[in-house]
Amino acid sequence: GESVGLHLPTLSVQEGDNSIINCAYSNSASDYFIWYKQESGKGPQFIIDIRSNMDKRQGQRVTVLLNKTVKHLSLQIAATQPGDSAVYFCAENIGSGGYQKVTFGTGTKLQVIP
Amino acid sequence: DSGVTQTPKHLITATGQRVTLRCSPRSGDLSVYWYQQSLDQGLQFLIQYYNGEERAKGNILERFSAQQFPDLHSELNLSSLELGDSALYFCASSVGRDGGYTFGSGTRLTVV
Repeated sequence: GESVGLHLPTLSVQEGDNSIINCAYSNSASDYFIWYKQESGKGPQFIIDIRSNMDKRQGQRVTVLLNKTVKHLSLQIAATQPGDSAVYFCAENIGSGGYQKVTFGTGTKLQVIP
Repeated sequence: DSGVTQTPKHLITATGQRVTLRCSPRSGDLSVYWYQQSLDQGLQFLIQYYNGEERAKGNILERFSAQQFPDLHSELNLSSLELGDSALYFCASSVGRDGGYTFGSGTRLTVV
């Protein structure tokens, strides 16, 4: 069946270093991907998205890379800060409007070491 | 404030009881999604409504039901509660798919 998974459940990085969080997806029909950040006690928050016709998209300190050949998605966070400590989820999306179907990965916990 | 309002924030109830969780979507969003998140687990999709109609079902138990009202707010009803139903329940809304979902802050349900 369809699934979205993460390679690493926990990632510890030193403050100031770059972080890379990986995600594998299995549905080749997925055409829209999103990264969410969930801080303790809060709901997931949109970080960045990418469409399947792109292989890279940059935001403020974050970059998402998409490799459709191997069905792999990654989130890169530059100069990681303590405030980046959270659980990060990738999500794959098929369809649009009221018919979109979103599948979330299991999440990777990012721990930033001061 | 994300614009998605969930009430109550916390709920403690006994096994066998029934509770109702409420969600008001962000203004203009027609789709409402319910997710369950157990401790250290990912987001499990329960059900989606779009403009008052059920659009998709995920791993929702028969003891659970939901509806979306004409004003677009939604309620998730959980009955015959079991200890294993203790979890965070999130509501999310969207107008389309660009920008993903906007999540509420969740309702923490504890069944004792």
